[in-house]
Amino acid sequence: QVQLVQSGAEVKKPGASVKVSCKASGFTFTDYYMHWVRQAPGQGLEWMGWINPYSGGTHYAQKFQGRVTMTRDTSIVTANMELSRLRSDDTAVYYCARGAPMVRGLIIYMDVWGKGTTVTVSS
Amino acid sequence: DIQMTQSPSSLSASVGDRVTITCRASQSIDTYLNWYQQRPGKAPNLLIYTASSLQSGVPSRFSGSGSGTDFTLTISSLQPEDFATYYCQQSYSTPFTFGPGTKVDIK
Repeated sequence: QVQLVQSGAEVKKPGASVKVSCKASGFTFTDYYMHWVRQAPGQGLEWMGWINPYSGGTHYAQKFQGRVTMTRDTSIVTANMELSRLRSDDTAVYYCARGAPMVRGLIIYMDVWGKGTTVTVSS
Repeated sequence: DIQMTQSPSSLSASVGDRVTITCRASQSIDTYLNWYQQRPGKAPNLLIYTASSLQSGVPSRFSGSGSGTDFTLTISSLQPEDFATYYCQQSYSTPFTFGPGTKVDIK
């Protein structure tokens, strides 16, 4: 079935980097954008950016520019999100989410989500 | 960035009630508006996209309407599994901002 399987929880110190992976199955990986969304404890949802798995092109929210890198490895149908220079307020659950198929053009939504990866930043 | 607001922030309702949640954008977003449901400890689930299109597999008691800056999500007859938090999200321009959420709990 269509699913996204994310890597396990991480505990990092301030200033370190974290890399979260997201393995796709049940659909053609390169046909859909992949988005990353995070949720701090008890808070709402925050969109971080997307990657086009076909081309590798990315678009990041301005807030994360310079700290986030989204990549993909089509050979293992996996998307990755790396966040650097971690701060305590980066503590959150990080989700990957499949976007609309690229053929749908301007229609953007997230219809399949991973279970989330908890990243804790603490000294 | 486009700011999204939702009202109410929370509501209490009973099974069988009709529930309406409102979402407002800080500028016109045409119909580029999605709705998600999130149960505690779970990932969000897409309910409605482009303001009124029902996602495949979502019960027909969920409906969405609106365009421009004002949108609504309606649950026609609340079921036990609908007690959750609901988020709107604009997909008109990046960053694709979410509303702060509306928590629906049991009266």
